[in-house]
Amino acid sequence: AQKITQTQPGMFVQEKEAVTLDCTYDTSDPSYGLFWYKQPSSGEMIFLIYQGSYDQQNATEGRYSLNFQKARKSANLVISASQLGDSAMYFCAMREGTGNQFYFGTGTSLTVIP
Amino acid sequence: GAGVSQSPRYKVAKRGQDVALRCDPISGHVSLFWYQQALGQGPEFLTYFQNEAQLDKSGLPSDRFFAERPEGSVSTLKIQRTQQEDSAVYLCASSLLDQTGNTIYFGEGSWLTVV
Repeated sequence: AQKITQTQPGMFVQEKEAVTLDCTYDTSDPSYGLFWYKQPSSGEMIFLIYQGSYDQQNATEGRYSLNFQKARKSANLVISASQLGDSAMYFCAMREGTGNQFYFGTGTSLTVIP
Repeated sequence: GAGVSQSPRYKVAKRGQDVALRCDPISGHVSLFWYQQALGQGPEFLTYFQNEAQLDKSGLPSDRFFAERPEGSVSTLKIQRTQQEDSAVYLCASSLLDQTGNTIYFGEGSWLTVV
């Protein structure tokens, strides 16, 4: 089974609007971390936001927030007030316990339309 | 520099040629990771170092792939007798401590094309 599933290959959003990128995960480990990364065309993976499995509140970082629904095993990324510079690939990732591996989804390509 | 530095940024290799990819992690970062990212895919784990010790190499696709970090800082990923299926972006990442909540910070990657 896939550890991380991103079902939206591509998304479009109007500038200044909000957009939600979906991510579901699969693990039996009670301790895990969920991450979102942005990958522009330059190739670098840029860390955006982190949510721990024991965190009671949804994580927020500026215009990024993580909609964490533990029972549904979903960790959707919400980007508010989209900007043209937000156009990129977005990857959801998970780390289990103190495991060495980060498991990545296949990514969602976001295009912000002026 | 402040971030993870990788070189070369771009490499074109003839099939059968050996290549070496270098990673200079963020200063003080104990953990170092190598990932392989094929076109249109998410990164796939290759190997993990804690200081100079290679603790996990379960993701290396074949014995043609070899990684080292002899002094616990700079790491080199070597691919021997390259094949076309090795064409990918090779991402290096580092993190401060080996804990669940510690994110890993990536370099810009080395884009390998085997012709």
